[in-house]
Amino acid sequence: GAVVSQHPSRVICKSGTSVKIECRSLDFQATTMFWYRQFPKQSLMLMATSNEGSKATYEQGVEKDKFLINHASLTLSTLTVTSAHPEDSSFYICSARGLRGREPQHFGDGTRLSIL
Amino acid sequence: DAKTTQPPSMDCAEGRAANLPCNHSTISGNEYVYWYRQIHSQGPQYIIHGLKNNETNEMASLIITEDRKSSTLILPHATLRDTAVYYCIVRDGSGNTGKLIFGQGTTLQVKP
Repeated sequence: GAVVSQHPSRVICKSGTSVKIECRSLDFQATTMFWYRQFPKQSLMLMATSNEGSKATYEQGVEKDKFLINHASLTLSTLTVTSAHPEDSSFYICSARGLRGREPQHFGDGTRLSIL
Repeated sequence: DAKTTQPPSMDCAEGRAANLPCNHSTISGNEYVYWYRQIHSQGPQYIIHGLKNNETNEMASLIITEDRKSSTLILPHATLRDTAVYYCIVRDGSGNTGKLIFGQGTTLQVKP
């Protein structure tokens, strides 16, 4: 089946650091990629949607200058958490979908971000 | 996209069928029903999806009522590894702009 690879799986860093998370679709072209955040014992919350070659669309309440998304190719999207603070600690999950709208989205295994 | 309603939790005995219900009474004609599950500390795993016909794959079966207002995910022989949070989501499949919005899902506990 379709595979989405997310890297790194875990990051621990100091407050004020910027952290980049990569999301790759390994065996299909992802025209649309999604970034989610999940806090403990909560459901996934959609942060933003990105289409290859265009600017990401952010959900209400998500700071676009804080969470920079780049979707430069059909197989790679990156999320950069800029100047991360402890409240940004969370489980970040990317997802990718192929060319046809009804195709299912496939998810990466997530990145556990811990800001000290 | 239409919202869904699922019971917060269910138990199932190992080896028995697990039947997970989902209500989506406001579903529209272009919206598909998708099922995902999330095992602790992992990304969601796609299970199955359908529009109006019943669907079956190697993981599960999806039964959609004729009026499309509800559906049931069936795991025919549940194992301990099927313990997870199961999400039922409806999304517009006609274009390429629909988003998967997750609700609280159903926590399925498979017991020995």
